[in-house]
Amino acid sequence: ELKVEQNPLFLSMQEGKNYTIYCNYSTTSDRLYWYRQDPGKSLESLFVLLSNGAVKQEGRLMASLDTKARLSTLHITAAVHDLSATYFCAVDPRLSGSEKLVFGKGMKLTVNP
Amino acid sequence: EPEVTQTPSHQVTQMGQEVILRCVPISNHLYFYWYRQILGQKVEFLVSFYNNEISEKSEIFDDQFSVERPDGSNFTLKIRSTKLEDSAMYFCASSLTGINEKLFFGSGTQLSVL
Repeated sequence: ELKVEQNPLFLSMQEGKNYTIYCNYSTTSDRLYWYRQDPGKSLESLFVLLSNGAVKQEGRLMASLDTKARLSTLHITAAVHDLSATYFCAVDPRLSGSEKLVFGKGMKLTVNP
Repeated sequence: EPEVTQTPSHQVTQMGQEVILRCVPISNHLYFYWYRQILGQKVEFLVSFYNNEISEKSEIFDDQFSVERPDGSNFTLKIRSTKLEDSAMYFCASSLTGINEKLFFGSGTQLSVL
């Protein structure tokens, strides 16, 4: 059974700082997704990573995927308060015919002024 | 941008009652999903629906749960006899081509079973 682990689960950081968060998964997959969730709100798609070595950037966030290491990173550059949210990674188990995503527990990020 | 809409935003019900959660997916999408998130926990897959039938369901999606696309626009989740442990935020999602691309999630229905 696919397990998705996020590290850390809670992060408090100051504005202007950089940080990297991690998403590990337990079985082979080359499809990984990052979502953002604001308190009481829905899930907003940030990145779709569909191959080994995929790197995508949007604003202060950059996501990458290493399928050999079964690892994705989400790098935050010069954090701002607006980035405060919970970030989920989700993995496609790549089972034939499956449409299921398996989510990690989420990382709650607080960016302090 | 088109969006997935869900109603109601909050639903309170008594244990044992039936509830229907409603979703209007993005109009040209073909794949539909329900996920749920118990407070403070991770998002869990319930069911996927394509071509007017369930394509996959999780262990959570037992006989008390059913889904329907009654009229080509709505996508509903019914829980026949709610339990306390069904209390959660239920998210509907849709996609044009499946999980090869991003899923669009609705804003959720917070279900509270008393």
